Amino acid sequence: GENVEQHPSTLSVQEGDSAVIKCTYSDSASNYFPWYKQELGKRPQLIIDIRSNVGEKKDQRIAVTLNKTAKHFSLHITETQPEDSAVYFCAASISGQAGTALIFGKGTTLSVSS
Amino acid sequence: DSGVTQTPKHLITATGQRVTLRCSPRSGDLSVYWYQQSLDQGLQFLIQYYNGEERAKGNILERFSAQQFPDLHSELNLSSLELGDSALYFCASSAIDRGINGYTFGSGTRLTVV
Repeated sequence: GENVEQHPSTLSVQEGDSAVIKCTYSDSASNYFPWYKQELGKRPQLIIDIRSNVGEKKDQRIAVTLNKTAKHFSLHITETQPEDSAVYFCAASISGQAGTALIFGKGTTLSVSS
Repeated sequence: DSGVTQTPKHLITATGQRVTLRCSPRSGDLSVYWYQQSLDQGLQFLIQYYNGEERAKGNILERFSAQQFPDLHSELNLSSLELGDSALYFCASSAIDRGINGYTFGSGTRLTVV
């Protein structure tokens, strides 16, 4: 089955700096890669996703890149703000199949200090 | 409110007991997923149901079982509880049949086994 590795486990940056979180996956059939943000005590929320037919996707200060050959994808947050502090999870699955669930990485705790 | 409803929000019970967690998916979503979130363990996939049928199984213990009812709500049953079962249990739903792979998570049930 799918296995997703996520690094780093913790990341501390200064406000305004960029943050990068990297994930690798094992199942070459996976083609859907979302990122979730979980604030303390709250539910995970989808912030951006990418499919395997796209190499990069941006949404304001957030971008995700995908390298299918190397089986890794990354989350880039630019101009970080204190409210970006949270745990970020990457995940992978095979889209369109009702029998395939998202497999998550173990999460990255991002701390943005002002 | 995400549209995914989980009850109860908190549950404290003794070792050896049995509990039932309930989840109502977002209106129209046919897929329901259960995840366990322990400290340092990220989001562990337990089981998925699609329109009443079990579709995928993850690292679910034999002491745990689930089902999805005709009205699409789902229940996760945890029996012979152990201290290590203490965790946050999330339910999520998606509309895979409509090509929407992103999950919407409920607010979770925090289970404490004493």
